[in-house]
Amino acid sequence: KAGVTQTPRYLIKTRGQQVTLSCSPISGHRSVSWYQQTPGQGLQFLFEYFSETQRNKGNFPGRFSGRQFSNSRSEMNVSTLELGDSALYLCASSLAGGFNQPQHFGDGTRLSIL
Amino acid sequence: SQQGEEDPQALSIQEGENATMNCSYKTSINNLQWYRQNSGRGLVHLILIRSNEREKHSGRLRVTLDTSKKSSSLLITASRAADTASYFCATDSGSRLTFGEGTQLTVNP
Repeated sequence: KAGVTQTPRYLIKTRGQQVTLSCSPISGHRSVSWYQQTPGQGLQFLFEYFSETQRNKGNFPGRFSGRQFSNSRSEMNVSTLELGDSALYLCASSLAGGFNQPQHFGDGTRLSIL
Repeated sequence: SQQGEEDPQALSIQEGENATMNCSYKTSINNLQWYRQNSGRGLVHLILIRSNEREKHSGRLRVTLDTSKKSSSLLITASRAADTASYFCATDSGSRLTFGEGTQLTVNP
Protein backbone atom coordinates (compact mmCIF):
# COMPACT_ATOMS: atom_id res chain seq x y z
CA LYS A 1 0.00 0.00 0.00
CA ALA A 2 1.44 3.37 -0.98
CA GLY A 3 2.20 5.77 1.84
CA VAL A 4 1.28 9.41 2.24
CA THR A 5 2.60 11.44 -0.68
CA GLN A 6 3.42 15.12 -0.41
CA THR A 7 4.34 17.30 -3.36
CA PRO A 8 6.50 19.11 -4.04
CA ARG A 9 9.33 17.98 -1.75
CA TYR A 10 11.15 21.29 -1.95
CA LEU A 11 9.94 24.77 -2.77
CA ILE A 12 11.60 28.18 -2.80
CA LYS A 13 9.45 31.30 -2.75
CA THR A 14 9.92 34.99 -2.04
CA ARG A 15 8.15 37.16 0.51
CA GLY A 16 4.65 38.20 -0.50
CA GLN A 17 4.05 35.24 -2.82
CA GLN A 18 1.58 32.47 -2.16
CA VAL A 19 2.08 28.73 -2.24
CA THR A 20 -0.04 25.59 -2.47
CA LEU A 21 1.12 22.28 -1.05
CA SER A 22 -0.48 18.95 -1.85
CA CYS A 23 -1.03 15.80 0.20
CA SER A 24 -2.36 12.45 -1.02
CA PRO A 25 -3.34 10.20 1.90
CA ILE A 26 -3.06 6.46 2.13
CA SER A 27 -5.83 4.82 0.11
CA GLY A 28 -8.96 4.51 2.24
CA HIS A 29 -7.88 7.12 4.76
CA ARG A 30 -10.42 9.90 5.13
CA SER A 31 -8.68 12.19 7.61
CA VAL A 32 -5.78 14.50 6.76
CA SER A 33 -3.95 16.77 9.19
CA TRP A 34 -1.27 19.35 8.54
CA TYR A 35 1.66 20.36 10.73
CA GLN A 36 4.41 22.97 10.55
CA GLN A 37 7.86 21.98 11.84
CA THR A 38 10.54 24.58 12.60
CA PRO A 39 13.69 24.44 14.75
CA GLY A 40 12.35 27.17 17.03
CA GLN A 41 8.70 26.19 17.49
CA GLY A 42 8.88 22.46 16.88
CA LEU A 43 5.87 20.63 15.47
CA GLN A 44 2.69 22.69 15.49
CA PHE A 45 -0.79 21.60 14.42
CA LEU A 46 -2.31 23.58 11.56
CA PHE A 47 -5.65 21.92 10.80
CA GLU A 48 -7.50 18.63 10.33
CA TYR A 49 -9.87 17.70 7.53
CA PHE A 50 -12.31 14.80 7.45
CA SER A 51 -14.79 14.13 4.65
CA GLU A 52 -14.05 17.50 3.05
CA THR A 53 -14.81 19.40 6.28
CA GLN A 54 -12.34 21.20 8.50
CA ARG A 55 -12.83 19.66 11.93
CA ASN A 56 -10.12 21.35 13.93
CA LYS A 57 -7.80 24.32 13.51
CA GLY A 58 -4.59 25.35 15.19
CA ASN A 59 -3.43 28.81 16.18
CA PHE A 60 -2.23 30.10 12.85
CA PRO A 61 -3.24 33.30 11.05
CA GLY A 62 -5.83 33.30 8.30
CA ARG A 63 -3.05 33.34 5.70
CA PHE A 64 -2.92 29.59 6.26
CA SER A 65 -5.85 27.74 4.73
CA GLY A 66 -6.62 24.33 3.43
CA ARG A 67 -9.20 22.15 1.81
CA GLN A 68 -9.96 18.51 1.18
CA PHE A 69 -11.39 17.00 -1.96
CA SER A 70 -13.89 14.17 -2.37
CA ASN A 71 -11.03 11.69 -2.97
CA SER A 72 -9.54 12.74 0.41
CA ARG A 73 -6.57 14.50 -1.17
CA SER A 74 -5.80 17.74 0.61
CA GLU A 75 -4.15 21.01 -0.25
CA MET A 76 -2.74 23.66 2.01
CA ASN A 77 -2.35 27.27 0.89
CA VAL A 78 -0.26 30.00 2.44
CA SER A 79 -0.75 33.53 1.13
CA THR A 80 1.45 36.61 1.53
CA LEU A 81 4.45 34.55 2.53
CA GLU A 82 6.71 35.78 5.33
CA LEU A 83 10.28 34.78 6.17
CA GLY A 84 8.98 33.01 9.27
CA ASP A 85 6.92 30.65 7.12
CA SER A 86 10.10 28.81 6.17
CA ALA A 87 9.53 25.33 7.55
CA LEU A 88 8.95 21.67 6.87
CA TYR A 89 5.23 21.16 6.28
CA LEU A 90 4.02 17.69 7.11
CA CYS A 91 0.71 16.07 6.46
CA ALA A 92 -0.62 12.96 8.12
CA SER A 93 -3.53 10.70 7.29
CA SER A 94 -5.63 8.29 9.31
CA LEU A 95 -8.64 6.09 8.68
CA ALA A 96 -11.14 8.11 10.69
CA GLY A 97 -11.31 11.60 12.12
CA GLY A 98 -9.77 12.46 15.43
CA PHE A 99 -6.44 11.47 16.92
CA ASN A 100 -7.19 8.25 18.78
CA GLN A 101 -5.37 6.20 16.16
CA PRO A 102 -1.90 6.21 14.60
CA GLN A 103 -1.17 9.06 12.23
CA HIS A 104 0.71 8.21 9.02
CA PHE A 105 3.02 10.99 7.91
CA GLY A 106 4.43 11.93 4.55
CA ASP A 107 8.03 13.11 4.15
CA GLY A 108 6.94 16.72 4.00
CA THR A 109 7.43 19.75 1.80
CA ARG A 110 10.40 21.91 2.74
CA LEU A 111 9.45 25.51 2.04
CA SER A 112 12.13 28.18 1.97
CA ILE A 113 11.24 31.86 1.82
CA LEU A 114 13.84 34.27 0.46
CA SER B 1 3.16 26.45 22.72
CA GLN B 2 4.17 22.84 23.16
CA GLN B 3 2.23 20.89 25.72
CA GLY B 4 4.77 18.12 25.88
CA GLU B 5 8.23 18.55 27.26
CA GLU B 6 10.76 15.84 26.74
CA ASP B 7 13.99 15.06 28.44
CA PRO B 8 16.71 14.63 27.80
CA GLN B 9 16.94 16.86 24.74
CA ALA B 10 19.80 14.71 23.48
CA LEU B 11 21.00 11.24 24.40
CA SER B 12 24.10 9.43 23.15
CA ILE B 13 24.59 5.73 23.95
CA GLN B 14 26.49 2.68 22.70
CA GLU B 15 24.89 -0.04 20.63
CA GLY B 16 23.33 -2.68 22.86
CA GLU B 17 22.53 -0.26 25.69
CA ASN B 18 19.01 0.77 26.67
CA ALA B 19 17.67 4.26 25.99
CA THR B 20 15.01 5.96 28.12
CA MET B 21 13.21 9.13 27.12
CA ASN B 22 10.67 11.00 29.22
CA CYS B 23 7.72 13.17 28.31
CA SER B 24 5.62 15.44 30.51
CA TYR B 25 2.39 17.19 29.59
CA LYS B 26 0.04 19.69 31.16
CA THR B 27 -3.62 18.91 30.38
CA SER B 28 -5.83 15.83 30.42
CA ILE B 29 -5.41 13.55 27.46
CA ASN B 30 -7.25 10.79 25.59
CA ASN B 31 -4.05 9.03 24.60
CA LEU B 32 -0.34 9.58 24.20
CA GLN B 33 1.66 8.53 21.16
CA TRP B 34 5.36 8.21 20.41
CA TYR B 35 6.86 8.91 16.99
CA ARG B 36 10.31 8.63 15.46
CA GLN B 37 11.73 10.98 12.86
CA ASN B 38 14.85 10.35 10.84
CA SER B 39 16.64 13.43 9.55
CA GLY B 40 14.77 15.07 6.68
CA ARG B 41 11.93 12.55 6.75
CA GLY B 42 8.41 12.35 8.07
CA LEU B 43 7.36 10.93 11.42
CA VAL B 44 6.83 7.23 11.94
CA HIS B 45 4.29 6.06 14.49
CA LEU B 46 5.77 3.79 17.16
CA ILE B 47 3.16 3.16 19.81
CA LEU B 48 -0.11 4.55 21.20
CA ILE B 49 -1.10 4.23 24.85
CA ARG B 50 -4.58 5.19 25.99
CA SER B 51 -5.25 7.18 29.13
CA ASN B 52 -6.61 4.11 30.97
CA GLU B 53 -3.49 2.05 30.21
CA ARG B 54 -0.33 2.08 32.30
CA GLU B 55 2.14 0.16 30.19
CA LYS B 56 2.45 -1.09 26.64
CA HIS B 57 5.04 -3.12 24.76
CA SER B 58 5.91 -3.40 21.09
CA GLY B 59 9.00 -5.38 20.17
CA ARG B 60 11.97 -3.62 21.81
CA LEU B 61 9.80 -0.69 22.88
CA ARG B 62 8.17 -0.24 26.27
CA VAL B 63 5.99 2.75 27.05
CA THR B 64 4.62 3.71 30.44
CA LEU B 65 1.99 6.32 31.25
CA ASP B 66 1.34 7.92 34.62
CA THR B 67 -1.70 10.19 34.27
CA SER B 68 -1.46 11.31 37.91
CA LYS B 69 1.99 12.74 37.20
CA LYS B 70 1.12 13.64 33.61
CA SER B 71 4.20 11.87 32.34
CA SER B 72 5.25 9.06 30.03
CA SER B 73 8.46 7.26 29.27
CA LEU B 74 9.73 5.40 26.23
CA LEU B 75 12.30 2.66 26.75
CA ILE B 76 14.20 1.21 23.79
CA THR B 77 16.05 -1.95 24.76
CA ALA B 78 19.17 -3.37 23.12
CA SER B 79 19.57 -0.29 20.94
CA ARG B 80 20.97 -0.43 17.39
CA ALA B 81 22.68 2.17 15.24
CA ALA B 82 19.51 2.24 13.12
CA ASP B 83 17.61 3.59 16.16
CA THR B 84 19.45 6.90 15.74
CA ALA B 85 16.67 9.46 15.22
CA SER B 86 14.58 12.09 16.97
CA TYR B 87 11.78 10.79 19.17
CA PHE B 88 8.63 12.76 19.91
CA CYS B 89 5.75 12.25 22.26
CA ALA B 90 2.36 13.55 21.17
CA THR B 91 -0.77 14.01 23.27
CA ASP B 92 -4.32 13.78 21.99
CA SER B 93 -6.53 16.31 23.75
CA GLY B 94 -9.50 15.61 21.49
CA SER B 95 -9.10 18.51 19.11
CA ARG B 96 -5.47 18.12 18.10
CA LEU B 97 -2.25 16.22 18.48
CA THR B 98 0.32 18.27 20.43
CA PHE B 99 3.95 17.30 20.09
CA GLY B 100 6.80 17.59 22.53
CA GLU B 101 10.12 19.13 21.65
CA GLY B 102 11.73 15.78 21.01
CA THR B 103 14.77 13.81 22.13
CA GLN B 104 17.65 13.35 19.69
CA LEU B 105 18.97 9.83 20.20
CA THR B 106 22.36 8.84 18.83
CA VAL B 107 23.36 5.19 19.01
CA ASN B 108 27.08 4.71 18.42
CA PRO B 109 28.19 1.43 16.78
